[in-house]
Amino acid sequence: NAGVTQTPKFRILKIGQSMTLQCTQDMNHNYMYWYRQDPGMGLKLIYYSVGAGITDKGEVPNGYNVSRSTTEDFPLRLELAAPSQTSVYFCASLGVDYGYTFGSGTRLTVV
Amino acid sequence: QKEVEQNSGPLSVPEGAIASLNCTYSDRGSQSFFWYRQYSGKSPELIMSIYSNGDKEDGRFTAQLNKASQYVSLLIRDSQPSDSATYLCAAEYTDKLIFGTGTRLQVFP
Repeated sequence: NAGVTQTPKFRILKIGQSMTLQCTQDMNHNYMYWYRQDPGMGLKLIYYSVGAGITDKGEVPNGYNVSRSTTEDFPLRLELAAPSQTSVYFCASLGVDYGYTFGSGTRLTVV
Repeated sequence: QKEVEQNSGPLSVPEGAIASLNCTYSDRGSQSFFWYRQYSGKSPELIMSIYSNGDKEDGRFTAQLNKASQYVSLLIRDSQPSDSATYLCAAEYTDKLIFGTGTRLQVFP
C-alpha cells in the first residue's frame, strides 16, 4: 500500500517552460488536493477534487491547471512557469477520519 | 477570508518539559481541527485530530479545543529532541483544510 505517490521529487524549470506534477493514490479516496508551501509559510490550497471529473479552485489557482480523469490520479499542470511558482508542492488525499495523507512533495525551482 | 493563525516561534523548551503550541481560527463554521508535524524537508504527518470541545489525549500529546474562543492547542509532555519540528494547525472548512503557517519547536537536551 503506497499511499500518495508524487513524481518527480525535484525539478528545475526555465521561465516559460511547462510541466506536469504527477500524483497517484491507491487508497480509493475521492477527495484529493494540491498545496504549495513557500519557505517559512503554511500550505496554500491550489486546486482540489471531490471525485473523478470534478475539480475546483483553491486559494491560489492562477498559473495552474488540473484534471481528474480517474479516482487514482490528480496531475497538476504548470503552464508558462514563472519564478513565483518556485515552491514545494504537496499532493494529499482525504481519508474517512478526515486526516489528510500527504505525498512526499515535489521541490520545484523556476530560473 | 478563512484564516488560521499560529505564532511562528521558535518555541524552545528543555528536554522533559511540556511544550504548549497554540492556534486560533477565524471561521466559526469549522468543526474539525488537526495538528500536523513537519520535519525539515519532509511532508506533514497527522499527529492529532479533535472535533469536540475539551481535551483529547494520545500518548504524550494532548489536543485542546475551545470553540467559543476559537482556540486550539497542542501540549507535548516529556518533550524529546526528536519532537523538534514545525507543527502545523489546520481547520476544516467544507472538506478542505486551511493551514496556519506553523510553529517551530526546538527541544534542547
